[in-house]
Amino acid sequence: NAGVTQTPKFRVLKTGQSMTLLCAQDMNHEYMYWYRQDPGMGLRLIHYSVGEGTTAKGEVPDGYNVSRLKKQNFLLGLESAAPSQTSVYFCAARAIPATGELFFGEGSRLTVL
Amino acid sequence: AQSVTQLGSHVSVSEGALVLLRCNYSSSVPPYLFWYVQYPNQGLQLLLKYTTGATLVKGINGFEAEFKKSETSFHLTKPSAHMSDAAEYFCAVSPDGGSYIPTFGRGTSLIVHP
Repeated sequence: NAGVTQTPKFRVLKTGQSMTLLCAQDMNHEYMYWYRQDPGMGLRLIHYSVGEGTTAKGEVPDGYNVSRLKKQNFLLGLESAAPSQTSVYFCAARAIPATGELFFGEGSRLTVL
Repeated sequence: AQSVTQLGSHVSVSEGALVLLRCNYSSSVPPYLFWYVQYPNQGLQLLLKYTTGATLVKGINGFEAEFKKSETSFHLTKPSAHMSDAAEYFCAVSPDGGSYIPTFGRGTSLIVHP
């Protein structure tokens, strides 16, 4: 069972370069989330989506864009990478009921030089 | 607004000792509560959750947690720590009202000494 798959798992960028992280889920869940995890900061929500074609800002959206053109995919874009965006990024998916848990991908480690 | 507080960013125990990770929450409605575990270089996975019914919830790997409404707590315990329990543990509250966003605690790193 794949669940939530993130690609790529590792990436090194130079300042100013752009890239896209892909999150794919095979559970048909409505809600999807992008988090970043930094030492001592816990998980911080970047953007989220409550359905195909919808996105919303989270706690730390600046410097990131997202798209959810298909229900199973949630893309996170960095238009002009900065060293402050060096982090581990996690995608998660959740079914509609509030009792449902989040299913996380294994993470994408991004380094911006 | 909801909030989750995990006391102690690091907890250190000896192998075989009791594990106690603390979680307190605030919520305007009866909460749904979760504990997630993150092993090194992996994503988070569900350890256990409380929705309704029995307040003592059992999870994977011998962990359990008790929902105490009067104390607004959902502490995680395990009677005997194993080296393989070393990981980051996150407490979370499911969104209430019209929010779609779960609230996570900052996490507690469990260190297990041989």
